Amino acid sequence: DAGVIQSPRHEVTEMGQEVTLRCKPISGHNSLFWYRQTMMRGLELLIYFNNNVPIDDSGMPEDRFSAKMPNASFSTLKIQPSEPRDSAVYFCASRATGKGNTEAFFGQGTRLTVV
Amino acid sequence: AQSVTQPDIHITVSEGASLELRCNYSYGATPYLFWYVQSPGQGLQLLLKYFSGDTLVQGIKGFEAEFKRSQSSFNLRKPSVHWSDAAEYFCAVGAYSGNTGKLIFGQGTTLQVKP
Repeated sequence: DAGVIQSPRHEVTEMGQEVTLRCKPISGHNSLFWYRQTMMRGLELLIYFNNNVPIDDSGMPEDRFSAKMPNASFSTLKIQPSEPRDSAVYFCASRATGKGNTEAFFGQGTRLTVV
Repeated sequence: AQSVTQPDIHITVSEGASLELRCNYSYGATPYLFWYVQSPGQGLQLLLKYFSGDTLVQGIKGFEAEFKRSQSSFNLRKPSVHWSDAAEYFCAVGAYSGNTGKLIFGQGTTLQVKP
């Protein structure tokens, strides 16, 4: 398997624009996580899905952020409108839930810069 | 609430010296514990994990960690550090219940290796 695939790897956008980050989890994994990494706040869990259903979105910073998982092989994180303080690296991770399957596998991340 | 604390933000060791990175967690049930490593510009890679059995676990790249329930700790160790070990290290706790749950990370410890 190619691992968790995120796109794009880098995104530069202007303040006020809509940004969509994409994630393809590892096939067969049924939990998916979106994290944001910044120097100030470290790795923050934004939202996670189990079997395509959002379970906990308490980490989503504000209504400008939304995430969807229309099927088991695809998820998006959207920011609309984007602001400079959204600049960060966004990671997607997936996990297979089941006995012994405990760790999450991470994608390479999307580095977002909002100018 | 679940939390992970890594008391050392930055550590510098000489190549060949031993290493210990500290991790303390707060979780009401039996924890699933992890150490991940992140090289610059990369995603997170699992070093090792613990969820039951022997409290001393071995991981990749010569790392080991010891779970101490009485101290709520899961410290990472390596007897002899190599220059390639310079990276950021994250401790995490899996707040799992049944087939769902989230992975919560500490703030990370940046390891610098002196020649």
